[in-house]
Amino acid sequence: EAGVAQSPRYKIIEKRQSVAFWCNPISGHATLYWYQQILGQGPKLLIQFQNNGVVDDSQLPKDRFSAERLKGVDSTLKIQPAKLEDSAVYLCASLRVRTGELFFGEGSRLTVL
Amino acid sequence: GQQLNQSPQSMFIQEGEDVSMNCTSSSIFNTWLWYKQDPGEGPVLLIALYKAGELTSNGRLTAQFGITRKDSFLNISASIPSDVGIYFCAGLNAGGTSYGKLTFGQGTILTVHP
Repeated sequence: EAGVAQSPRYKIIEKRQSVAFWCNPISGHATLYWYQQILGQGPKLLIQFQNNGVVDDSQLPKDRFSAERLKGVDSTLKIQPAKLEDSAVYLCASLRVRTGELFFGEGSRLTVL
Repeated sequence: GQQLNQSPQSMFIQEGEDVSMNCTSSSIFNTWLWYKQDPGEGPVLLIALYKAGELTSNGRLTAQFGITRKDSFLNISASIPSDVGIYFCAGLNAGGTSYGKLTFGQGTILTVHP
C-alpha cells in the first residue's frame, strides 16, 4: 500500500507570514493526525481527526493554527501568522485500526526566520 | 495529561554491543509501539505490542509490554552502524475519549561507533 504523503517537504518563511501543509493518508485510514516535532524532542500531537470530524485539538494553538479534513481523506494544516517558535517538522500520520499502528509521512520541515 | 519517560536520553556504543532502552508511564496503555526516526524522515514503526507481558522480536530487536501496562523496553542485539538514529516509545489508547491517541516518549539518540 502507498504510504502517507505530505507536501511540501521544506518551507522557509518569515515571521508573520502564513504557510499551509498538505497530507494524504493511507487509503482507507479514517483516523488522521498532525504532530509537531521540534528538534531534539518527540512528536507532539496537534490535532486528531476521525473521518472529517475533530477528535482532539486540545494542544492546537487555535489563535494561529487551523486544520481541516473536509472530505474525510486528505487534510491541510495552516499557520497564520507564523512565529519563530513554529520552526519544526510537521508530521502527518494515519491509523491502521486493526493493529493500532500509526504510519507517518516524511514530514514537512518549516523554518521561520 | 499522560506522559512517557524514556531513558536513556542518549547512548554511545561500539558496533556489536547490545542496547537496551525503556519507557515508563504514569498511566496504562492498551498498545506500546517502538519507532525509529532517521534524520529528515518521519518515524518508522519497529515493533508493536498488544498484550501485557508480551515479548516480541523483529530480527535483532526485542521488545516487551510490561505486566503493569505502564512500561515497555526495547533491546537491540549486536548493534550495527545503521542502527544509528532516534528511537521513540509510544503508548496508544484504544478506548473512550482517548481512542487512537498516541503519546510519545522523549526519544533515545543512539550512536554506534564502528
